[in-house]
Amino acid sequence: AQSVTQPDIHITVSEGASLELRCNYSYGATPYLFWYVQSPGQGLQLLLKYFSGDTLVQGIKGFEAEFKRSQSSFNLRKPSVHWSDAAEYFCAVGSNRLNQAGTALIFGKGTTLSVSS
Amino acid sequence: DAMVIQNPRYQVTQFGKPVTLSCSQTLNHNVMYWYQQKSSQAPKLLFHYYDKDFNNEADTPDNFQSRRPNTSFCFLDIRSPGLGDAAMYLCATSRDGRGNQPQHFGDGTRLSIL
Repeated sequence: AQSVTQPDIHITVSEGASLELRCNYSYGATPYLFWYVQSPGQGLQLLLKYFSGDTLVQGIKGFEAEFKRSQSSFNLRKPSVHWSDAAEYFCAVGSNRLNQAGTALIFGKGTTLSVSS
Repeated sequence: DAMVIQNPRYQVTQFGKPVTLSCSQTLNHNVMYWYQQKSSQAPKLLFHYYDKDFNNEADTPDNFQSRRPNTSFCFLDIRSPGLGDAAMYLCATSRDGRGNQPQHFGDGTRLSIL
């Protein structure tokens, strides 16, 4: 069964420091991978996605993620964190379910990022 | 800008009193989804519409219903809300539901039950 694991429930980073949020997936084929960010009281905003090709993908707000097939990982990184980056971050894998027309987006449980000054 | 709009942002209802949440989209996407998200948890898919075809998740309670009168609008009806239904409800769309397409989310409706 497909699954997404985000090992870190909560991370605190100093403003200006680098950030890496971990994501591991379990999927039989080449996965479609996404990172979403959710600010308090808001919906989810797409940061970046990976389908194929270059394993290092660039997203919005200065984020990037690297797909590593050998490690089944899709970690999110940012070189210098800003206070406004404090939010909940969700990794997700998209799958085509054979018995339904729509797509299941399987989320990890999320990582809460706090930014200290 | 094309977007997904949810109304209202905050909804308070009484225990057992039916409530309807609204979602509209200007993206002209074929698929519309409803998720329930409880505090500090990942969104949980309730159901989705592929065009006019309704697809219910196996573990979605019968208390939750949905309507999609046209491409742009989708409604979530909770027939008899219980205290456990207090949550954020998120609407999302995707163009045709394939796995390589991101889902576009609205800002959600925060539902409180008195």
